[in-house]
Amino acid sequence: QKEVEQNSGPLSVPEGAIASLNCTYSDRGSQSFFWYRQYSGKSPELIMFIYSNGDKEDGRFTAQLNKASQYVSLLIRDSQPSDSATYLCVAPPSGSARQLTFGSGTQLTVLP
Amino acid sequence: DTGVSQDPRHKITKRGQNVTFRCDPISEHNRLYWYRQTLGQGPEFLTYFQNEAQLEKSRLLSDRFSAERPKGSFSTLEIQRTEQGDSAMYLCAWDRVPGELFFGEGSRLTVL
Repeated sequence: QKEVEQNSGPLSVPEGAIASLNCTYSDRGSQSFFWYRQYSGKSPELIMFIYSNGDKEDGRFTAQLNKASQYVSLLIRDSQPSDSATYLCVAPPSGSARQLTFGSGTQLTVLP
Repeated sequence: DTGVSQDPRHKITKRGQNVTFRCDPISEHNRLYWYRQTLGQGPEFLTYFQNEAQLEKSRLLSDRFSAERPKGSFSTLEIQRTEQGDSAMYLCAWDRVPGELFFGEGSRLTVL
């Protein structure tokens, strides 16, 4: 089983809609979760992280974590064409290892 | 500004040639990572340094790949006898906590 599985894309939403990106993880010991955004031809950039169960909001972005279900999601409200990118979820393994496994990401397109 | 600069940004080489990429942290970062990313995939961990010590190395990394970080400052990644399958974006990154990576702009390798 992969450490992180993301909902398969690509995902298209109209401008102004809510985009929902989902991720499940296998390591019950994972304590923190990170979302990266990657524009085409650019390197990934960190946009959100969450450590605790529940919701964490930052502007139009909300990260949601459910440790019991081993599920983390990213909601983008009022989606804009500039949000069109690939979104990558990462769950660092428990223990001291620093090796991260990225999924292949979910490609989001926001249609004007 | 993500705190690391990479050079060259783009390298085109013929199969069988050796190539070297350099990563310069703008300020002192104890941990420095190398990742590789091919089209449509998330970044793949290659190796990481804690100061000058190479602490983790991917099992997928062939013997043709070698990385160094002399004096714990800049780092180099060398690929010997390049193959077409080595064509990818090579990303350097640092972190503050596990999972919170800050990537450089990457070095794109094209092997003809």
